[in-house]
Amino acid sequence: DAGITQSPRHKVTETGTPVTLRCHQTENHRYMYWYRQDPGHGLRLIHYSYGVKDTDKGEVSDGYSVSRSKTEDFLLTLESATSSQTSVYFCAISIPGQMNTEAFFGQGTRLTVV
Amino acid sequence: SQKIEQNSEALNIQEGKTATLTCNYTNYSPAYLQWYRQDPGRGPVFLLLIRENEKEKRKERLKVTFDTTLKQSLFHITASQPADSATYLCALESGGSYIPTFGRGTSLIVHP
Repeated sequence: DAGITQSPRHKVTETGTPVTLRCHQTENHRYMYWYRQDPGHGLRLIHYSYGVKDTDKGEVSDGYSVSRSKTEDFLLTLESATSSQTSVYFCAISIPGQMNTEAFFGQGTRLTVV
Repeated sequence: SQKIEQNSEALNIQEGKTATLTCNYTNYSPAYLQWYRQDPGRGPVFLLLIRENEKEKRKERLKVTFDTTLKQSLFHITASQPADSATYLCALESGGSYIPTFGRGTSLIVHP
């Protein structure tokens, strides 16, 4: 699992509340990603980071923010959760080879917004 | 817009047969194509990577082909086993982007 831990693993929250998901890695890899996975849509990139305080938006970033103040931690925040953000969230890290990426994923966080 | 297509219908095969999964893409010029396996309730696990200048890559019972003219990759599992039952995802990456873009995946069910 390349030392990736996601927390919490499951969460139920109410619409309008803020939620923060945490991804922790133990290997000091530079690249980290947040994806969401939904039936019919597959894995979609929310945000990614290529270093401390270096982050960028992915395909479905609206309603999400991220922070990376330490190499090992990448936080995903839903400022005001909506039902459309009910999903399974995966954190991933990549280990770049010669200009390519092999991604390693955490076990996921199942978030339900009611 | 960029699009990655994998069969949404599950592939059902008998044990011992060869499973073949397809990944097609449009409006994309990937330098690398990867295949991942995902089991229910788990994150995807990397299986194989093939580069744009490679036609075929093998690893044990797995074989991947990459045809940049057809914009297609085929993923084969020979001598399939029930334990191979899972969802298989393809992912494309442009050279140097370090951002894999995933297809929706195809479910494979191997019947004993």
